[in-house]
Amino acid sequence: KAGVTQTPRYLIKTRGQQVTLSCSPISGHRSVSWYQQTPGQGLQFLFEYFSETQRNKGNFPGRFSGRQFSNSRSEMNVSTLELGDSALYLCASILLGGRKETQYFGPGTRLLVL
Amino acid sequence: LAKTTQPISMDSYEGQEVNITCSHNNIATNDYITWYQQFPSQGPRFIIQGYKTKVTNEVASLFIPADRKSSTLSLPRVSLSDTAVYYCLAQTGFQKLVFGTGTRLLVSP
Repeated sequence: KAGVTQTPRYLIKTRGQQVTLSCSPISGHRSVSWYQQTPGQGLQFLFEYFSETQRNKGNFPGRFSGRQFSNSRSEMNVSTLELGDSALYLCASILLGGRKETQYFGPGTRLLVL
Repeated sequence: LAKTTQPISMDSYEGQEVNITCSHNNIATNDYITWYQQFPSQGPRFIIQGYKTKVTNEVASLFIPADRKSSTLSLPRVSLSDTAVYYCLAQTGFQKLVFGTGTRLLVSP
């Protein structure tokens, strides 16, 4: 099976702009989660989607939003970019098995805000 | 919400066994612990997952004591390529999944 695909891999934006990141999960997985990773804060949970519905949300401002499509592909959007939004954004494709969830991560999108 | 704590860094030599411990609270009997390995500028890679006392696969073992206040990732006979950051992840039912702070493992010749 193909792994998790994230596009673009690298992105440079300026403050005030908005950005949309895309994630294609592993075929058959219906759930995805998004994380922000920075050197100072580590891996921080953004949100999780299952069958087009947001199931969980982390403690991020409303500038961070996401959605999931019927084919399980997901996008996250960050509006009014700030310098502190520079980070590696990771998408994970989630294999659900009863109470067990196993996340398989993509390579990430490196966002630099100038 | 489960919070996890790991040592910031560990050093080892090639061929040694490495044990990385993750401390966590509020873990129910059937909550899962998952360990990931991450190299610079890459996404975390799944290593092992379990909720019982001991789980073993081809690359690692996971030990969870009866009080479930910690878990230990055991890497047998590490090599230079095992130098990476290791994260434990506590899954608290269907709630948010909380990553630990990560342990930077350095394997030397």
